[in-house]
Parts: sequence; structure tokens; C-alpha cells
Amino acid sequence: RKEVEQDPGPFNVPEGATVAFNCTYSNSASQSFFWYRQDCRKEPKLLMSVYSSGNEDGRFTAQLNRASQYISLLIRDSKLSDSATYLCVVRPNDYKLSFGAGTTVTVRA
Amino acid sequence: ETGVTQSPTHLIKTRGQQVTLRCSSQSGHNTVSWYQQALGQGPQFIFQYYREEENGRGNFPPRFSGLQFPNYSSELNVNALELDDSALYLCASSQGAAGYTFGSGTRLTVV
Repeated sequence: RKEVEQDPGPFNVPEGATVAFNCTYSNSASQSFFWYRQDCRKEPKLLMSVYSSGNEDGRFTAQLNRASQYISLLIRDSKLSDSATYLCVVRPNDYKLSFGAGTTVTVRA
Repeated sequence: ETGVTQSPTHLIKTRGQQVTLRCSSQSGHNTVSWYQQALGQGPQFIFQYYREEENGRGNFPPRFSGLQFPNYSSELNVNALELDDSALYLCASSQGAAGYTFGSGTRLTVV
């Protein structure tokens, strides 16, 4: 079983729409959770950390369900610039990050 | 503040050759991690260096090795290159386990 599994998409949405997707992780002892954004052929960049109580950063909302080992990301009022691959990331220990394969989002005009 | 820099940006090697990739960590960061990202996949952890010692390793064979220098910069060495080693190699620096910053990567093609 993969450490982090994501729906690969692609999610193709119009500008202004809301899009949501999620991932699951296998290591119940994981303590830190993140969403990273990766543009084509570029390095991953931290979008936001994910906290147990859920958190927002502008148009982005992340949720964590530890019981189900499930993390979600919701993007409201999508912009063309939101088109990217979103990587679900879990830190199972102090020395590594475990990445999902990514969910591709394309926002069309 | 200087970010993470990697060199070279692109590289083509022949199967069986050896390659060395380099990474300069962000100012103030003492830990360097290396990841391999194959096309269509997420980055996979190779290993991490802290205080010039390897302190964690992923599921990669011994022909993947590394070094960290006193200035916290790092090298990734891969011997006996295989076609499946073709990937984007990412270096990330951090201060301990906090706040990873990724470099823009080295794209390695093995032919």
C-alpha cells in the first residue's frame, strides 16, 4: 500500500468554481500534514500546512480527519493561476516527507 | 536570503555511468534531503543529511550515496546508472525537521 494516495484527476473547472479533492495516508503515527503545489517541471512549493482543527488560507481550506486518515483541500473562486498539480504530503517521522502522486487541477476561462 | 540552488539543471548520461548532483542549502539551514521524482509521480525520499551524517534513508539501493559538507551543501552520487534513474532530482534544505525549501531540481536523463 502506498504511504499517501491521491485522486490523480484531472479536475477541469471553470473560473470561479469550487473544486475539492482529498488524499489518504497509511501511517497512523504521522504528525504533520501539508499541501504542496507544483507547476509543470518546477519544484514543489508549500501551499499550506494542515491542522487537526482545519484551517483556511484565503481561498484555500484544508481539513484533516485523523480517525479516517484523510486530508482534503478545497479551492473556492478558482483562478486561472490555480492550475497546477497539488501534492498531498505527510511527515511520518522526523527525517522525511511522503508525497502523494498529485492531483492535477486545470482552471479554464 | 539565498534559496536552495542545484546544479546542473539538466544532464544526459549513458547507462552504466556515474553522476554527481550538487545542492547549496538555504542560508541558516543545516539539514539537506534528496528526493527523486519520476514523471507522473510524487517525489520519493532518497536520504537526509544532518551535521554531515546520513540520518535517514528511503528505499533506494546503495549505488545512491551522498555527502554533506561543513557549509551544509550536499552532493548526491549515483553509480552504475540505469534507465529508470531518469527523473527530476530535488534537494530540500531545512532547519532540522522544520520548514523545507526545495531547489528547482536537476533533470537527469539516462540513455
